[in-house]
Amino acid sequence: DGGITQSPKYLFRKEGQNVTLSCEQNLNHDAMYWYRQDPGQGLRLIYYSQIVNDFQKGDIAEGYSVSREKKESFPLTVTSAKKNPTAFYLCASSSKGGTYEQYFGPGTRLTVT
Amino acid sequence: GQSLEQPSEVTAVEGAIVQINCTYQTSGFYGLSWYQQHDGGAPTFLSYNALDGLEETGRFSSFLSRSDSYGYLLLQELQMKDSASYFCAGWGGASKIIFGSGTRLSIRP
Repeated sequence: DGGITQSPKYLFRKEGQNVTLSCEQNLNHDAMYWYRQDPGQGLRLIYYSQIVNDFQKGDIAEGYSVSREKKESFPLTVTSAKKNPTAFYLCASSSKGGTYEQYFGPGTRLTVT
Repeated sequence: GQSLEQPSEVTAVEGAIVQINCTYQTSGFYGLSWYQQHDGGAPTFLSYNALDGLEETGRFSSFLSRSDSYGYLLLQELQMKDSASYFCAGWGGASKIIFGSGTRLSIRP
């Protein structure tokens, strides 16, 4: 079955540590995205990538970093510099011409204490 | 700026019809998408309106009026499993998509 996987589902870290969230897709989609969702809020775009080895900042990129070395993979690193990193992180993908229809992974709930 | 506004909460009765509105302020949106998200889950795509008018998909319909910068999602024959949050999202072409803050739909028996 095609889809998007994110791991782990729950992640706990201490302040001052970098942490990397995994996102893999086998939908053969060109575009991939990372969103942050806070309780009772919508989705805010962190980074997106339209092709391998290229990515752009979204609305809240500060304190985050990404890479896109393979079409299938788009890991997100939450750096120690990020203030208030505790949130629900969602990865998504879409075809190049159909970015209005995004497919989401199950999400990673990150708690930093 | 670009923003989409939705009511924060809507309550309806099982078997009834409910409409969730979305108004947006932007000059750059080509169309409007709708997503459903159950608590703790991932958003799932419901519909997309590129043109003005009504799009119907089973019990769900979505409407867009670009001249009014307004759209809505219509859910018919409500079932308890429809209790979820619903997001409208404006699509500006390429990879530009902006989500509203979501409407939490609660359904009573």
